[in-house]
Amino acid sequence: DIQMTQSPSSLSASVGDTVTITCRASRGVTTHIGWIQQKPGKAPKSLIYAASSLQSGVPSKFSGSGSGTDFTLTISSLQPEDFATYYCHQHHIYPLTFGGGTKVEF
Amino acid sequence: EVQLVESGGGLVQPGGSLRLSCAASGFTFSDHYMDWVRQAPGKGLEWVGRIRNKAKSYTTEYAASLKGRFTISRDDLKNSLYLQMNILKIEDTAVYYCARSSPDSDGHHSFDYWGQGTLVTVSS
Repeated sequence: DIQMTQSPSSLSASVGDTVTITCRASRGVTTHIGWIQQKPGKAPKSLIYAASSLQSGVPSKFSGSGSGTDFTLTISSLQPEDFATYYCHQHHIYPLTFGGGTKVEF
Repeated sequence: EVQLVESGGGLVQPGGSLRLSCAASGFTFSDHYMDWVRQAPGKGLEWVGRIRNKAKSYTTEYAASLKGRFTISRDDLKNSLYLQMNILKIEDTAVYYCARSSPDSDGHHSFDYWGQGTLVTVSS
């Protein structure tokens, strides 16, 4: 199975900050990764697919990059509604796997 | 508007069975691959399995640890997805989400919409 390792596991930020979350795959997944946002007690929401493509309706403050094994999610101009846990996942090969999550908090 | 609504969760004893449903609306259900993903209390997301569409003969994929106990099926006429869970274990306790997947330019399918989830509690 492909292991997805996210870092950091949590980070503290302030409104207006730009934050970057990293995801590393245990082997190459080309650009077949996505990013998901989950707020406490809520369903996941898909933000990005294919490493850098925004899902419909997702604001451009979210951006993704990378290929192969190393990927990043950047959130610019952090707003209160952006404080959540973010997961990467690979959709390159079965079984699909997720990173452990990064909690973005005050 | 894409909507996915799960149902069928509840309390079940170890060794028991449960069938979850996911009612889809707002899109052409039959075109899409569909997934189940679960989340144990306080833990991260875990992929359960996928069912492809009719064009791909409704073939399925599963997490290795669940294969043999869990079965995914769909009824395109009813716009519904199902998860049959047998021989349930305490560690199967989780919120179970259904998710729609769509292809990228390479034909690899990624989650795009999620349901609100249904809680399954396995306990004696």
